[in-house]
Amino acid sequence: DAGVTQSPTHLIKTRGQQVTLRCSPKSGHDTVSWYQQALGQGPQFIFQYYEEEERQRGNFPDRFSGHQFPNYSSELNVNALLLGDSALYLCASSQGLPGPEAFFGQGTRLTVV
Amino acid sequence: AQSVAQPEDQVNVAEGNPLTVKCTYSVSGNPYLFWYVQYPNRGLQFLLKYITGDNLVKGSYGFEAEFNKSQTSFHLKKPSALVSDSALYFCAVRDATSGAGSYQLTFGKGTKLSVIP
Repeated sequence: DAGVTQSPTHLIKTRGQQVTLRCSPKSGHDTVSWYQQALGQGPQFIFQYYEEEERQRGNFPDRFSGHQFPNYSSELNVNALLLGDSALYLCASSQGLPGPEAFFGQGTRLTVV
Repeated sequence: AQSVAQPEDQVNVAEGNPLTVKCTYSVSGNPYLFWYVQYPNRGLQFLLKYITGDNLVKGSYGFEAEFNKSQTSFHLKKPSALVSDSALYFCAVRDATSGAGSYQLTFGKGTKLSVIP
């Protein structure tokens, strides 16, 4: 049983560029959430998708946007990258809304230079 | 608003000794509480959860946690620490009351556990 998979694992972008991160949820899960984990901090909630709609959003600017596809996979897009966007981006999946425990992927390490 | 406090940035314990990693929380309604572990350059692994029922919750790898409503705490414990338990531990809370804010997990800043051989 495949768990949550994220791609790519590492990414280096230049300030001002745009980036797309991808996530495939655990088999049987239909809800996907995205978190940003800055160095030395706990993960911060970005947003959650269920039935292809954004259901809840954390305190992140509109530069952060997302999408969920009919197969429940999801993308996180960040426009106009800032140095402060450098972080580990974690995808979590769960079943239903609100679901029980969330299962996390390995994350995408984004470095903005 | 919901929040989690992990008062210790680092906990050191000798191998074979019991360990405790502390967590206190604040939430408007009833809490769903979780512990996750993170190894270097990895994602979060689920350890255990409290939803309802018994205050003592047992999880993976011999870990357990005790829910204390009056003290708003959910401390992580293990009777005998292993060197392989050395990692970063995160406590998280979610409001069990449906509605805005109930879907997101709010995490503490994490506690680094070092088990000394």
